[in-house]
Amino acid sequence: GEDVEQSLFLSVREGDSSVINCTYTDSSSTYLYWYKQEPGAGLQLLTYIFSNMDMKQDQRLTVLLNKKDKHLSLRIADTQTGDSAIYFCARGANFGNEKLTFGTGTRLTIIP
Amino acid sequence: EAQVTQNPRYLITVTGKKLTVTCSQNMNHEYMSWYRQDPGLGLRQIYYSMNVEVTDKGDVPEGYKVSRKEKRNFPLILESPSPNQTSLYFCASSLEQGYGYTFGSGTRLTVV
Repeated sequence: GEDVEQSLFLSVREGDSSVINCTYTDSSSTYLYWYKQEPGAGLQLLTYIFSNMDMKQDQRLTVLLNKKDKHLSLRIADTQTGDSAIYFCARGANFGNEKLTFGTGTRLTIIP
Repeated sequence: EAQVTQNPRYLITVTGKKLTVTCSQNMNHEYMSWYRQDPGLGLRQIYYSMNVEVTDKGDVPEGYKVSRKEKRNFPLILESPSPNQTSLYFCASSLEQGYGYTFGSGTRLTVV
């Protein structure tokens, strides 16, 4: 989706924090999501944030939302080899049909 | 186990030969959707359904058909497949807006 953009690749050392960034253009987005896709698998919902929130924390995951800059980030603390995957940012529409627009995905590689 | 089941997982077919990819969910979800995933393009929505007999086009509906005769099933039909429909297809379902989608494991389709 052109209106949701992500970097294609990110490499992080095991034990460091990973920060995956996403920008979007549609300010009417009500919900913003992060999905994880492991090789050969479907997408797994990691977390989501409502547009009226600035931050959400869930164990090792922290989502930050800057509505002014239309910027969303996912921070993974203490990155492990099992975190290697493609991470997709997605925005939800504001009219109740659960139409999600996805970014291109960021492939996270963990360096031992 | 709550899940979205797609079949088949892999399919190789020839141009013009009609095919159907089945999708079934056992979570009594209202929303269902089909996405295709292509390298560098992320996931793009093909069709979605908000309930039985209610379907609408997504971003890339050309060459596809869907039906929602029962709540649990949402088949994707390619009446005359072409090579540009070679892709990885995902079916997904959601309880309602804001809950995010649960994805199936994917169907890798090759049209020769």
